[in-house]
Amino acid sequence: QIQLMQSGTEVKKPGAALKLSCRTSGYDFSNFGISWVRQAPGQGLEWMGWINTRTGDTNYAQRLQGRGFMREDPSTKTVFMELFNLRPDDTALYYCARDLLSDSSWYTSGYWGQGTLVTVSS
Amino acid sequence: QFVLTQPPSVSGAPGQRVTLSCTGSSSNTGAGYAVHWYQQSPGTAPKLLIYGNNNRPSGIPDRFSGSKSGTSASLAITGLQAEDEADYYCQSYDSSLSAWVFGGGTKLTVL
Repeated sequence: QIQLMQSGTEVKKPGAALKLSCRTSGYDFSNFGISWVRQAPGQGLEWMGWINTRTGDTNYAQRLQGRGFMREDPSTKTVFMELFNLRPDDTALYYCARDLLSDSSWYTSGYWGQGTLVTVSS
Repeated sequence: QFVLTQPPSVSGAPGQRVTLSCTGSSSNTGAGYAVHWYQQSPGTAPKLLIYGNNNRPSGIPDRFSGSKSGTSASLAITGLQAEDEADYYCQSYDSSLSAWVFGGGTKLTVL
């Protein structure tokens, strides 16, 4: 079955860098894009960006521009997100999520990872 | 501040029908981009309930239905059950931002 397995809990200090992973299985990796969505404690969902796993093309939320990067590794069917110069307000549960359909113009995620808790605190 | 506007809370008694709203603008829902709905129960990842305005993924009961008109969309839940108590988020695409956008979420309470 389709699975997205995310890396474990992270605790970081302000100014540090973060690298999260999302290992996929159960489908053709290159046919479906992956988004990253985060959720601050007690808050709503915030889209951070999307990567085309076939071409590596990315689309980032404006808030992430220049501070966050996504890439894929087809050999391990894994997507990574790196976030630099962390701030306390980056504290959140980070989800990776696979496009529902191979046609990315639907702009929706049908399968979600379990989430990675990231805490940024001095 | 969220691009799509949702009421913070809605409630209903078991067996009743409730409707959750989602309002966007001319650069997202009003531009023809589809609206999708997610359900998030406490401590769990969001689950896709409705995609493309009114389509249910496999496994989603037909008690859940979606509609869209102009800049607004709605999620209707009939035969309300205790297990439906959760947060519900609408989501679309915004062409001005070139970004996926979410509503702030609606907390559904089953009385």
